[in-house]
Amino acid sequence: DTAVSQTPKYLVTQMGNDKSIKCEQNLGHDTMYWYKQDSKKFLKIMFSYNNKELIINETVPNRFSPKSPDKAHLNLHINSLELGDSAVYFCASSQTGANVLTFGAGSRLTVL
Amino acid sequence: QKEVEQDPGPLSVPEGAIVSLNCTYSNSAFQYFMWYRQYSRKGPELLMYTYSSGNKEDGRFTAQVDKSSKYISLFIRDSQPSDSATYLCARRGGNKLVFGAGTILRVKS
Repeated sequence: DTAVSQTPKYLVTQMGNDKSIKCEQNLGHDTMYWYKQDSKKFLKIMFSYNNKELIINETVPNRFSPKSPDKAHLNLHINSLELGDSAVYFCASSQTGANVLTFGAGSRLTVL
Repeated sequence: QKEVEQDPGPLSVPEGAIVSLNCTYSNSAFQYFMWYRQYSRKGPELLMYTYSSGNKEDGRFTAQVDKSSKYISLFIRDSQPSDSATYLCARRGGNKLVFGAGTILRVKS
């Protein structure tokens, strides 16, 4: 049973398109995150939700909009995709305040 | 200046070698430090975490924090080809984990 699952795993799209990535966790955690990992492997936090409430919103263009319908799901919608959005996007979850994050396998987005 | 600095490598060692991976951090208020391991095409997974200063050992892995010099280290004894991965150090600040850039380790058999 996959603990944190993301779909799709791979996404190839044209500049200007809109796309979504979905994430679900079955660990009973109450906090979920989106991280972006660029080509140099640098992993940077984008957003975090705790019990469906946004608690971290880093300096991310407002073309990126997270949505958490319940505490087990966190989706990421990206409007007007740009070349620089190409990266691997990781979803993660944890209990509130925990140091242990469980990551999904990543969604590799390529913008052409 | 990044909050957590890490040499990206790659670091290439023969099987059986002792590996030393290092990070430096800028804010002395940080208390919790972690090492995550990431295999190719996979998500990071927690390897070890430590609080404040000192050593923590788990099998072949030892994590060390030196708060006076703001240095975090991970030692791997008797390294194996299966240890080949990217190792990311991280610190906790408030509600989030901040990661270093990761060091690519290659253990050759």
